[in-house]
Amino acid sequence: DGGITQSPKYLFRKEGQNVTLSCEQNLNHDAMYWYRQDPGQGLRLIYYSQIVNDFQKGDIAEGYSVSREKKESFPLTVTSAQKNPTAFYLCASSMGRDQPQHFGDGTRLSIL
Amino acid sequence: KQEVTQIPAALSVPEGENLVLNCSFTDSAIYNLQWFRQDPGKGLTSLLLIQSSQREQTSGRLNASLDKSSGRSTLYIAASQPGDSATYLCAVSDTNAGKSTFGDGTTLTVKP
Repeated sequence: DGGITQSPKYLFRKEGQNVTLSCEQNLNHDAMYWYRQDPGQGLRLIYYSQIVNDFQKGDIAEGYSVSREKKESFPLTVTSAQKNPTAFYLCASSMGRDQPQHFGDGTRLSIL
Repeated sequence: KQEVTQIPAALSVPEGENLVLNCSFTDSAIYNLQWFRQDPGKGLTSLLLIQSSQREQTSGRLNASLDKSSGRSTLYIAASQPGDSATYLCAVSDTNAGKSTFGDGTTLTVKP
């Protein structure tokens, strides 16, 4: 079945540590997105990529980094510079701006 | 900066009732608007996508309308069922490809 796979489902970060969240899609979508969701709130855009080897900052990119070396993969690194990383992270993809976004099941990141 | 508001934050209705969820946005220069459903601890499921040139979209018991000039969208759910219980989010995509702004959602509970 086609879809978006995020791993791991749960992740714990120690102080000063960088962690990487995986997002893989087999939908052959060009565009991919990373969002952060805090309790009781909507989603905020961290980074997005419309094509391989290109990505743009969203509204809250500070303390995060991404890469887009392959069409199907868009990993997100939460760096030690992100002082409040505890949140639910969601990855999405779409065929283009006219098409709906499809989401993975998310990764919940917590601080140890 | 685009702001998206969803009112009410929570709604409880008896099974079988028809209901309307509201979404308002401050900048009418949007590319499209999308309604999503989110179950607890899960990712988002796309329900309806309305392009800026459209007035409404329908899927089964769901009907979404868009009034760009007034900055409003509504999601109408007919004959609600307990399985409709979830958080419903709307998102507007601006004319800069790839950037979406989400509302905080309306949490719907349908009581048997």
